[in-house]
Amino acid sequence: DAMVIQNPRYQVTQFGKPVTLSCSQTLNHNVMYWYQQKSSQAPKLLFHYYDKDFNNEADTPDNFQSRRPNTSFCFLDIRSPGLGDAAMYLCATSREREKLFFGSGTQLSVL
Amino acid sequence: DAKTTQPNSMESNEEEPVHLPCNHSTISGTDYIHWYRQLPSQGPEYVIHGLTSNVNNRMASLAIAEDRKSSTLILHRATLRDAAVYYCILRTPWETSGSRLTFGEGTQLTVNP
Repeated sequence: DAMVIQNPRYQVTQFGKPVTLSCSQTLNHNVMYWYQQKSSQAPKLLFHYYDKDFNNEADTPDNFQSRRPNTSFCFLDIRSPGLGDAAMYLCATSREREKLFFGSGTQLSVL
Repeated sequence: DAKTTQPNSMESNEEEPVHLPCNHSTISGTDYIHWYRQLPSQGPEYVIHGLTSNVNNRMASLAIAEDRKSSTLILHRATLRDAAVYYCILRTPWETSGSRLTFGEGTQLTVNP
């Protein structure tokens, strides 16, 4: 049974057209993360939520925003996608100090 | 975050043990050593973690050097399903960096039938 669910599996958007990726969890974990993974590279942490507290990485572009309306859901908003934003976006959850559980990711293409 | 160094790639034969090394010479006394792996077209999955003592679980064993400057992930009998990128990660204490987990480059493990 899927515990961290990302929809859609594949997302195509146009250059400059806002796009939202979604993540939901059934684990009731208080921490949720968003990672960006480009081809043949390691996942790169964009930001994470500890409960409702938002923690942005210093090098995450302003073009990337996030919302967490409740414990179960978290969204990644890309305000004006560029060609360089094409990547796999991974959502993960954890309880504090414990291991992370990852979703299968959303592969974003920018045309 | 302290840095880890892993070989880019390794090969193994099916049903043989695999030893995946990781160097972390700048590790601090409170950093935990974590291993995750990522199978093709999937998100990473947790494998094992430890602080000072060697650790075993159903997936693997983790051997940690006495000075903690290196560690080795051991897969006791590799299967074709173990072909993946293996990431060695140092996780700083919760009190220092909150929840962050940052990935290094990882080792691509190929398992030959």
